[in-house]
Amino acid sequence: NAGVTQTPKFQVLKTGQSMTLQCAQDMNHNSMYWYRQDPGMGLRLIYYSASEGTTDKGEVPNGYNVSRLNKREFSLRLESAAPSQTSVYFCATLDPVQPQHFGDGTRLSIL
Amino acid sequence: GDSVTQMEGPVTLSEEAFLTINCTYTATGYPSLFWYVQYPGEGLQLLLKATKADDKGSNKGFEATYRKETTSFHLEKGSVQVSDSAVYFCALLIQAGTALIFGKGTTLSVSS
Repeated sequence: NAGVTQTPKFQVLKTGQSMTLQCAQDMNHNSMYWYRQDPGMGLRLIYYSASEGTTDKGEVPNGYNVSRLNKREFSLRLESAAPSQTSVYFCATLDPVQPQHFGDGTRLSIL
Repeated sequence: GDSVTQMEGPVTLSEEAFLTINCTYTATGYPSLFWYVQYPGEGLQLLLKATKADDKGSNKGFEATYRKETTSFHLEKGSVQVSDSAVYFCALLIQAGTALIFGKGTTLSVSS
């Protein structure tokens, strides 16, 4: 998906390790979002940032932290990874015409 | 609270069959409604949308009509192709600037 870039695409961690998922957009959108996707659960909002310098919790924020480094970048950090955080993580931005524009996802496995 | 309910899958069809994926919603006010599609290994792409009652969204042969009286936004396609195999998500937006609320997704598998 042009416009929203997520890194890495895949990652395997051990329980207790930490890591940061990166998201960058080049569409100059104000709002950015982090979701997780799990089988049978759809997409659940973890955190969002309505504008540079602001962040708010979504539906499932526990175990995560976020940083809106600048208008382009919105990172998601797992301080101490747990197997329950094994998931596919999607970053998205808000476009007034197309409500949300998604990245291709990061597939994270925690052993 | 606001929510979206989709029919559970998987939905398995033969090529050229008719497709319906049901979606109903609960929301305060007058939401906008969307269908997103996710192909294997990819992110979500907007398929179609409707912003007010009786609007019909359409794209790539797919259609959905915003029915306020039945709070529904069912996705239909007259003749599916193998390339339509994907996960389909119904979603609603309560107001501009907020996050979409998604249903749990319906997996469609089309065989030739």
